[in-house]
Parts: sequence; C-alpha cells; structure tokens
Amino acid sequence: AQSVTQLGSHVSVSEGALVLLRCNYSSSVPPYLFWYVQYPNQGLQLLLKYTTGATLVKGINGFEAEFKKSETSFHLTKPSAHMSDAAEYFCAVTLSNTGNQFYFGTGTSLTVIP
Amino acid sequence: KAGVTQTPRYLIKTRGQQVTLSCSPISGHRSVSWYQQTPGQGLQFLFEYFSETQRNKGNFPGRFSGRQFSNSRSEMNVSTLELGDSALYLCASSPGGGSPQYFGPGTRLLVL
Repeated sequence: AQSVTQLGSHVSVSEGALVLLRCNYSSSVPPYLFWYVQYPNQGLQLLLKYTTGATLVKGINGFEAEFKKSETSFHLTKPSAHMSDAAEYFCAVTLSNTGNQFYFGTGTSLTVIP
Repeated sequence: KAGVTQTPRYLIKTRGQQVTLSCSPISGHRSVSWYQQTPGQGLQFLFEYFSETQRNKGNFPGRFSGRQFSNSRSEMNVSTLELGDSALYLCASSPGGGSPQYFGPGTRLLVL
C-alpha cells in the first residue's frame, strides 16, 4: 500500500531561517510527488510537483524540493522563511496505476517567529 | 481558466438532515475527487470520479455518496447527518495521469 509520512506535525522557525519540512513515501512503482500549502479557511494550493526528469524541483514562493529515490524522500525547503509562509503544508503522492487517487500526509503546521 | 468552484461555501444543518454539495471542476478536467478535512482526522479521501464513473473510494459509510455529470461537474451527498460530519469538504479536479489536483475553496459544513 502507498503511504506518505510527514515528520513533525508542527515546525517553528525564525523569520529569515531555513525552512525544512520532511516527507517520506512508500511506493512500489515510480511516484508522482507534490507539495501543497493551505492557509486558514482556504483550499489547498499547489506549491510544486515532481513527475519525471530533474530531481530538484522549484515551486512558487521560493520553495523547492528534492526527490531522493534512494531515501524515498521529498523534503520541502526554503532558504529564508517569511512571515507569510506560516500555513499548513501537505505532501502528496499519486501513482500511474491507481487512477488519480492521491495519498496525502497528515500535514505540517509551520509557524514563523518574528 | 477559471478555478475549481464549490457551492455553497458555508452550510448549517441539523442532525438527521441530508445535504448536497456541488463542485465545478476546471474546464477540461475529467477527474474530480472529494475530501473531508477535520482538525482531528486531517485530510481524508472520500471518492474520485472520472468520466461519470466512481473510480476510487475511501473508507466512509454509505451515507456519503457522490456522482458526476457529463459536463464533469460533481455533487456529493451526505444523508442522515451526524455531529461528526461537521468538516470542511474539499473538491479537487485534475486532468489525470499524474497531473496535480487543483482544489476548490471548500464547503464548510456545520451540523448542529
């Protein structure tokens, strides 16, 4: 069965510090990987995606993620946190052989300390 | 293109009633998925429709049902509402084939 694990349900960083949100997946076939962000009382917004090709993926708002097959990881990073980055972040995976079913992690709430 | 729209945005019902939520996907997207989001359970998958057929289903009771129309618009219905059904219901559309899902703003349902 496919699954997504996000380590750390709550992460706090100081403004200007590195943001690192962790995501590991389990999959028996090559996955498609995504990060989403959710602000209060809103839907999820796509941050970035990995399908094929380059393993370092750049997204919106200065975020990027690296697909590491050997570690089954897809961690999200941003060099310098901004107050506006405070939100809930979700990692997700879908596979080519499951129709379009997405598997989401439990989310990581990011707090940015001024 | 216009994004995913969901109606209504807010809804208050009482226990035992039923409710129907609507989702209009992005033009050209044939896959529509529904999720329930609560503080305690997080984001839980309800079902996915593709070309009017339910293709995947999550672990929810039969009180939760859905359908998709020929124009890809989708509805979900919850019958005999319970207090625990209070949640944010999110709809997402996708072209399929490993493409991202794009989410609507959600419908917030409160069951009293």
